[in-house]
Amino acid sequence: AQRVTQPEKLLSVFKGAPVELKCNYSYSGSPELFWYVQYSRQRLQLLLRHISRESIKGFTADLNKGETSFHLKKPFAQEEDSAMYYCALSGGWSGNTPLVFGKGTRLSVIA
Amino acid sequence: DAMVIQNPRYQVTQFGKPVTLSCSQTLNHNVMYWYQQKSSQAPKLLFHYYDKDFNNEADTPDNFQSRRPNTSFCFLDIRSPGLGDAAMYLCATSPPLGRYTEAFFGQGTRLTVV
Repeated sequence: AQRVTQPEKLLSVFKGAPVELKCNYSYSGSPELFWYVQYSRQRLQLLLRHISRESIKGFTADLNKGETSFHLKKPFAQEEDSAMYYCALSGGWSGNTPLVFGKGTRLSVIA
Repeated sequence: DAMVIQNPRYQVTQFGKPVTLSCSQTLNHNVMYWYQQKSSQAPKLLFHYYDKDFNNEADTPDNFQSRRPNTSFCFLDIRSPGLGDAAMYLCATSPPLGRYTEAFFGQGTRLTVV
């Protein structure tokens, strides 16, 4: 069964401090991993996907298959990063496996 | 421009009175999803359509039904809402999900049951 675990409900950091939002997953095949973000009063939207190995708004995430983790990191937090962050997993290439979400972590960046 | 639109944004219904939530998309995506999200919980998938193929999650209550009359529209019907069905309901669309695709979400409908 697919499962995504985000152990922290709330993470508070000071502006300029490093951020790491943790995500662990369980899946029997080769999953696709994503981070979605929801800013206040906005819709849920994609932040980044593991296959792209991209940096979006200074955030990066590396898929570690050995540890089954996909932690989200940013070296210097900004106030505008305050939001709800969801790690999500899909089954990949089959095209008919929907997204499964973790419970989310609320990031609060303190000025 | 909103690409996935949910109506209404807020819905209040009486205990046991059928209610329908609607979702429309302008993206022409094959796949449409309905998620239920309760406070401080993960969005929980209720069902999804791949074109006209309907996929019901095993633990979705029978009280919840869905219709997709065409590519653009999808409805969530709750036949007899209970107090426990109060939640945010999220609609999303995507092409067939894979490495380079993403799901697009509506703003959600917050359902209150009184």
